[in-house]
Amino acid sequence: DAKTTQPNSMESNEEEPVHLPCNHSTISGTDYIHWYRQLPSQGPEYVIHGLTSNVNNRMASLAIAEDRKSSTLILHRATLRDAAVYYCILQIQGAQKLVFGQGTRLTINP
Amino acid sequence: SQTIHQWPATLVQPVGSPLSLECTVEGTSNPNLYWYRQAAGRGLQLLFYSVGIGQISSEVPQNLSASRPQDRQFILSSKKLLLSDSGFYLCAWGLLRGQETQYFGPGTRLLVL
Repeated sequence: DAKTTQPNSMESNEEEPVHLPCNHSTISGTDYIHWYRQLPSQGPEYVIHGLTSNVNNRMASLAIAEDRKSSTLILHRATLRDAAVYYCILQIQGAQKLVFGQGTRLTINP
Repeated sequence: SQTIHQWPATLVQPVGSPLSLECTVEGTSNPNLYWYRQAAGRGLQLLFYSVGIGQISSEVPQNLSASRPQDRQFILSSKKLLLSDSGFYLCAWGLLRGQETQYFGPGTRLLVL
């Protein structure tokens, strides 16, 4: 399984943008980049995914580097409810499995 | 809309006792189903997944087993619990369409004493 590298923790302030980085230098051409987040005492929640182009949805934006060796999850205006562990995961096309790493623990200061 | 249910929400069991955790999905047909475990302070570990009734793939050899008796029902079992079985058990479902988004249930917190 292709691996991802994320910072263990990050901190930001409420109502400011947050950029969560992820390195995946061994990504292959058919790997999708997925982001999930896990709020305290809850199951993970899907955030966004992409393959090559940048993606936007109601929760966040995903910026993918041109060489696809890194990506950034962007929360445009963080709220206290965005405090969670954020997981960057590579999923091979056609594969069922998601391999979760340790993720980035995001703290939002009021 | 689709919903996923897990029960019980919390469970305290003695070492050596049996276990049965149940997961059901509503609002979709023939989903892929998954059991994950999260030990305290750790990441999620995939235990089992199923692509259809009676079809179970095991990711980690251990004293747990899984069964899928119906299309939208997934059961995690053990004949004799170990202390190391304590953790947060999560069920998830997904529909593979080239790539798959997985949707997780609320989880069962299991403490083995």
